[in-house]
Amino acid sequence: KQEVTQIPAALSVPEGENLVLNCSFTDSAIYNLQWFRQDPGKGLTSLLLIQSSQREQTSGRLNASLDKSSGRSTLYIAASQPGDSATYLCAVKVSSNTGKLIFGQGTTLQVKP
Amino acid sequence: GAVVSQHPSWVICKSGTSVKIECRSLDFQATTMFWYRQFPKQSLMLMATSNEGSKATYEQGVEKDKFLINHASLTLSTLTVTSAHPEDSSFYICSARGGQGLTNEKLFFGSGTQLSVL
Repeated sequence: KQEVTQIPAALSVPEGENLVLNCSFTDSAIYNLQWFRQDPGKGLTSLLLIQSSQREQTSGRLNASLDKSSGRSTLYIAASQPGDSATYLCAVKVSSNTGKLIFGQGTTLQVKP
Repeated sequence: GAVVSQHPSWVICKSGTSVKIECRSLDFQATTMFWYRQFPKQSLMLMATSNEGSKATYEQGVEKDKFLINHASLTLSTLTVTSAHPEDSSFYICSARGGQGLTNEKLFFGSGTQLSVL
């Protein structure tokens, strides 16, 4: 059974710091992995999607890496800003013919001005 | 980008009543919609998958007679929590997978509905 774990559960950093959020999964047979941002009262926003054949994806100040063999993904946020404060979720999709995503519990990030 | 509208954003109801939550894809046709539930401090969990015009597929442990899902059109899916009880209090969120013109890898999420059953 696939399980997804995110560490840490919460993180507070001063503005400007670079930071790393971690995601691990127990079964390396995944189809893709996706990082989301969840803001209170708003829906999930997809940040980055990494296919199983890829090792990383970048969008602006965000960089996500994927190491299937070790069952890990990291989300790197460069030069953090207060507007980055949110809960970050990673989710894995186990096969191409399902829309089912298995989510981690999320990391709640607070970036202090 | 693709927009999914979910309504209402929060609802309080009495135990025993039914609550309907709507999920609409505003600018694309959603061939498949998904309903998730999130209890406090827990992960989002998939409840059911609905394809337009057919019966929903429920995940193990989700009561199909309690959580009625209707996906009558390519832009609208509804989740009805029947005879709600306090233990049904949760955050419900829908997502949609696009059809033509949109990658079907990404899911687009609604803003969620916080349900509180008294």
